Amino acid sequence: EVQLLESGGGLVQPGGSLRLSCAASGFTFSSYAMSWVRQAPGKGLEWVSSIGGSGRNTYDADSVKGRFIISRDNSKNSLFLRIYNVRVDDTAVYYCAKGGDSRAWAINWFDRWGQGTLVTVSS
Amino acid sequence: ELVMTQSPATLSVSPGERVTLSCRASQSVNNNLAWYRQTPGQAPRLLIYDASTRATGVPARFSGGGSGTEFTLTISRLESEDFAVYYCQQYNDWPFAFGGGTKVEIK
Repeated sequence: EVQLLESGGGLVQPGGSLRLSCAASGFTFSSYAMSWVRQAPGKGLEWVSSIGGSGRNTYDADSVKGRFIISRDNSKNSLFLRIYNVRVDDTAVYYCAKGGDSRAWAINWFDRWGQGTLVTVSS
Repeated sequence: ELVMTQSPATLSVSPGERVTLSCRASQSVNNNLAWYRQTPGQAPRLLIYDASTRATGVPARFSGGGSGTEFTLTISRLESEDFAVYYCQQYNDWPFAFGGGTKVEIK
């Protein structure tokens, strides 16, 4: 059974940094692209970042470019999101999402989601 | 930048009814579109990908259609778990984008 377990969220002050992690199990991690999607309180879904199966190719939303870094460790079946210079509008639940396409280079739909980790940015 | 627009924002329907949700792209996304359902307090669940392919385990009452810029999600007979928010997502081009969502509520 596919499982995605996010961690690392919490309260952080504006301008601070944090690292989110996603521990994956139940599938061949390196064969799938992975992504982060966030949802601000009471709002819709916002795509944040994606990474191919090998980790070589990454893509970011304009709203986070230069502040967020997505990475993965295929030897540990783990996905990460490093967030720098956090802003109040980064407050959201951050979901780890598995790509639905078994071609490791393909990044498209998200067929499994974790339960999310809440990041609250406040002074 | 490609924008996804869903309509209506809210739909009030009765259990057992048929409902069709719409999603429009500001430019063609070919058939590179997915639909998700999100119930309160839960993560989204994939329903449809490639505009019309049901994901594994998704009931047959869900069907997707369209291509290019106009897409639909039809639920043939609403069940209790279908009262939720539905999102479309394009993956034709970067940056990926979700629509703003359609809330299906009980009439």
